[in-house]
Amino acid sequence: DQQVKQNSPSLSVQEGRISILNCDYTNSMFDYFLWYKKYPAEGPTFLISISSIKDKNEDGRFTVFLNKSAKHLSLHIVPSQPGDSAVYFCAASARGQGAQKLVFGQGTRLTINP
Amino acid sequence: EADIYQTPRYLVIGTGKKITLECSQTMGHDKMYWYQQDPGMELHLIHYSYGVNSTEKGDLSSESTVSRIRTEHFPLTLESARPSHTSQYLCASSAGTVETQYFGPGTRLLVL
Repeated sequence: DQQVKQNSPSLSVQEGRISILNCDYTNSMFDYFLWYKKYPAEGPTFLISISSIKDKNEDGRFTVFLNKSAKHLSLHIVPSQPGDSAVYFCAASARGQGAQKLVFGQGTRLTINP
Repeated sequence: EADIYQTPRYLVIGTGKKITLECSQTMGHDKMYWYQQDPGMELHLIHYSYGVNSTEKGDLSSESTVSRIRTEHFPLTLESARPSHTSQYLCASSAGTVETQYFGPGTRLLVL
């Protein structure tokens, strides 16, 4: 039973245009969400996060939107650059005592075409 | 950004061998994690630790074991490697109540 789903395994976008990566979750206890970027043969790199008390968080070219009623979040990258080509994972956490365990989606491979 | 290191980066080993994957972080983070990832798949949590002398099994069953004797060190051991253990192993750490986890570069393990 996959609690975090990224239904698009791949996405191709023209350089300079907007990239939109989507993520759906099923567990209503999740209240913190993160996006990671991963290059081949490297570990994931943290990009941006959002708490469930917000519906938008922006950091430079990256914006994450959260729609709690739809249990959906998205990552917007504007403008897209060739260096953005990587696999993007969304992750979710249910805050509480102890270790903050993250549940990851399967990832979306983003390719930025020149 | 956290400094977290994993060695070796790549390992090719025969069936039945004992291996230890090393993970160290220099940020003083109390929580550390081990994930396993196969190509095109999500990261699965296999072990985590709240702090020294604390270890817990993650959501994905694993034949590996871990120890946390020092804050900065969280090694993972496979007593007898098998081809089914072939995967990428990722170590991460986080501080306090902050959810953001910082990852090491990973170890790619191939068991022949």
